[in-house]
Amino acid sequence: DAGVIQSPRHEVTEMGQEVTLRCKPISGHNSLFWYRQTMMRGLELLIYFNNNVPIDDSGMPEDRFSAKMPNASFSTLKIQPSEPRDSAVYFCASSLGTGTYEQYFGPGTRLTVT
Amino acid sequence: GDSVTQMEGPVTLSEEAFLTINCTYTATGYPSLFWYVQYPGEGLQLLLKATKADDKGSNKGFEATYRKETTSFHLEKGSVQVSDSAVYFCALNPSGNTPLVFGKGTRLSVIA
Repeated sequence: DAGVIQSPRHEVTEMGQEVTLRCKPISGHNSLFWYRQTMMRGLELLIYFNNNVPIDDSGMPEDRFSAKMPNASFSTLKIQPSEPRDSAVYFCASSLGTGTYEQYFGPGTRLTVT
Repeated sequence: GDSVTQMEGPVTLSEEAFLTINCTYTATGYPSLFWYVQYPGEGLQLLLKATKADDKGSNKGFEATYRKETTSFHLEKGSVQVSDSAVYFCALNPSGNTPLVFGKGTRLSVIA
């Protein structure tokens, strides 16, 4: 298996632009997680899905952030409009479920908003 | 609420030194405990886990024992290598169908 796939790996954009990050989880995994990692805040859980349904989005920082999972093999995280403080590494992870199941992380998308 | 506290880094060690990274937790019930490792430029990956009290997780020479009496899950390795340089995250699953709760991470640098 190729593991969790994220695209793009790097994104540089100007403030105010829309940014879309993409994730393909491991086939057969039922849970998908979006995280943000910064030096200041560490690793933050933004939102997670079970069986394509959003379960908890309390970590999404603002209404500018939205996430979708239209099917079991694809998810997007969108920021509109983007701001410099959104600069971070965004990770997608998937697992067979929540609980004691191992989470498999993608390589991340490094987002820079100028 | 449920939380994980890790020793602050960075930790710098010479090759072949003994490593301990402290981790304590607060949780109701009987959580499962994990250590994840993040190598430079990569995502996190599971290093080891323990699902009940007194269990010892081990992998790649690393060990951690689930101590319910001290609510701890300290990571140890007897002889570190330069290739162990990474950020280490302690995490817990409180119970049931909930996502993991991660600590802030501890950066380890091993010098030759």
